[in-house]
Amino acid sequence: KQEVTQIPAALSVPEGENLVLNCSFTDSAIYNLQWFRQDPGKGLTSLLLIQSSQREQTSGRLNASLDKSSGRSTLYIAASQPGDSATYLCAVGNTGGFKTIFGAGTRLFVKA
Amino acid sequence: NAGVTQTPKFQVLKTGQSMTLQCAQDMNHNSMYWYRQDPGMGLRLIYYSASEGTTDKGEVPNGYNVSRLNKREFSLRLESAAPSQTSVYFCASSEGDRGGGPQHFGDGTRLSIL
Repeated sequence: KQEVTQIPAALSVPEGENLVLNCSFTDSAIYNLQWFRQDPGKGLTSLLLIQSSQREQTSGRLNASLDKSSGRSTLYIAASQPGDSATYLCAVGNTGGFKTIFGAGTRLFVKA
Repeated sequence: NAGVTQTPKFQVLKTGQSMTLQCAQDMNHNSMYWYRQDPGMGLRLIYYSASEGTTDKGEVPNGYNVSRLNKREFSLRLESAAPSQTSVYFCASSEGDRGGGPQHFGDGTRLSIL
């Protein structure tokens, strides 16, 4: 059974710092991996999606990498801003893509 | 665009009552999903619909039923609510019929069962 773990559970950094969020999964036979952002009381916003054949995706200050062989993904946030404060969720799509398994998330706080 | 719209936003039920959570998307997506989110447990898939006319169980389907009414709408029904079903429920959709595209989420329904 696929399990997704995110470390750390919470992170506090000063504004301007570069940071890395980690996601690990137990079964390397994945279809894709997504990173989401969730603001308090809101739904999830898709940030980046990496297909199983890809190694990384970039959007603005965000870069996500995927290493299936080691069961790991990282989300790199450059030059963090207070507006980046949110919970970041990693989600693994199993073969077929429908049965997505989510991690519990990393709560990020960027201090001004 | 409205994206994914969920109604109601909040609901309080008594144990044993029934209700239907509504979800509609205006992005012409084929696939739709229902999740529940509980503290410390992440999101868990309840049911999904790969395309209009099809539905399949996810990780935690017990106690729920779904209907894919048309391409736009996917409803979730609790026939006899239990306190263990207190949660935040999210509907999502994605393009394509293989579920591989980015999932777009509604703002959720916060459901309390007393």
